[in-house]
Amino acid sequence: GAVVSQHPSRVICKSGTSVKIECRSLDFQATTMFWYRQFPKQSLMLMATSNEGSKATYEQGVEKDKFLINHASLTLSTLTVTSAHPEDSSFYICSVGTGGYEKLFFGSGTQLSVL
Amino acid sequence: EDQVTQSPEALRLQEGESSSLNCSYTVSGLRGLFWYRQDPGKGPEFLFTLYSAGEEKEKERLKATLTKKESFLHITAPKPEDSATYLCAVQAPDAGGTSYGKLTFGQGTILTVHP
Repeated sequence: GAVVSQHPSRVICKSGTSVKIECRSLDFQATTMFWYRQFPKQSLMLMATSNEGSKATYEQGVEKDKFLINHASLTLSTLTVTSAHPEDSSFYICSVGTGGYEKLFFGSGTQLSVL
Repeated sequence: EDQVTQSPEALRLQEGESSSLNCSYTVSGLRGLFWYRQDPGKGPEFLFTLYSAGEEKEKERLKATLTKKESFLHITAPKPEDSATYLCAVQAPDAGGTSYGKLTFGQGTILTVHP
């Protein structure tokens, strides 16, 4: 069964609106979750590390004010794309690791299309 | 900077025709090398984690091996349902040396198995 649940699977929005994506760890508590982005025909790129109860850590080049991350509980992290623009259209995927990160499981992904 | 290169970019096989996918990497302090399968519009599905040169792991028709510079994913007698993109990723500690959740992915190999 699924280890990580991600919702929604697909969202279409108008330019300028904000979109929230949820990532839930189903099988274990996760103090840390990870958000990746994948553009068409490209590989996954880490955007940020979501830390329960504290601020997220963003990779170089990722705007923290545009991609808001909230990790309010040990099983839920949310990514909000604020004032989305067409260039933000992408496949967003979260991941959760086992305690020592021996295994890293991914959600089913969210396809964001900004018109 | 960690780098992962996968080859070939695409591979077309006949059902039953065994082959191998390659993943070459350069990383400071490799902790683990991951293999994933990704179907179109889905998140990556965990296959294997390898930790040290010489290690091998098997799952059904797949066998992953690791050397100090590369990893191979061997596919024995593939079936059409094995068609997918196979992703390789390396795991190394973050800048603080405390988190191993960050993965650096290769571009993937698109495998197509014809009946």
